[in-house]
Amino acid sequence: DAGITQSPRHKVTETGTPVTLRCHQTENHRYMYWYRQDPGHGLRLIHYSYGVKDTDKGEVSDGYSVSRSKTEDFLLTLESATSSQTSVYFCAMRAGPADTQYFGPGTRLTVL
Amino acid sequence: QKEVEQDPGPLSVPEGAIVSLNCTYSNSAFQYFMWYRQYSRKGPELLMYTYSSGNKEDGRFTAQVDKSSKYISLFIRDSQPSDSATYLCAMSAPQGGSEKLVFGKGTKLTVNP
Repeated sequence: DAGITQSPRHKVTETGTPVTLRCHQTENHRYMYWYRQDPGHGLRLIHYSYGVKDTDKGEVSDGYSVSRSKTEDFLLTLESATSSQTSVYFCAMRAGPADTQYFGPGTRLTVL
Repeated sequence: QKEVEQDPGPLSVPEGAIVSLNCTYSNSAFQYFMWYRQYSRKGPELLMYTYSSGNKEDGRFTAQVDKSSKYISLFIRDSQPSDSATYLCAMSAPQGGSEKLVFGKGTKLTVNP
């Protein structure tokens, strides 16, 4: 997965609980992204980061926050999880030419 | 109209067939075009990328961009069962450093032995 890992890989939680997903890269790339992937919707951008402490919203950012205190780590937090946030979450980093992004293995989150 | 349209399939072909996967787009500012392959329960992996118009070949795979028609294609020759996956197109426009990819929803391909 091109030097990018995600943890946990699977999580089941209950509505209303906070959840934090972690993305870790070993290649010192500036840009990192969080997506969710749902049937019928494809990949949708939640938030992205263009440097330490520099983040911006994507198209589906409501209910999510992010933090990046180190280049290698990008955290996605669901402050109060809802069932609509049940999804597969992918982290990506931008590397190489032509805006190419490389994805992590994904986190499968179930909110009961 | 969505920025990127991709036929979701599913597409089922016999082994050895030539496969054509396509996307159309509406934003004429797109300059970078990519194809990702995603196996079940895995992350998308970059298959090919092209800049602007033209063809690019890599083994059994050919990516084609027609900017005048706003249409991109991925051809797979001599398809194999191992090519069974969902294929996502993606594209971006230069935006001064905060380039984001716009993805198609993916086409699910099954290659039958």
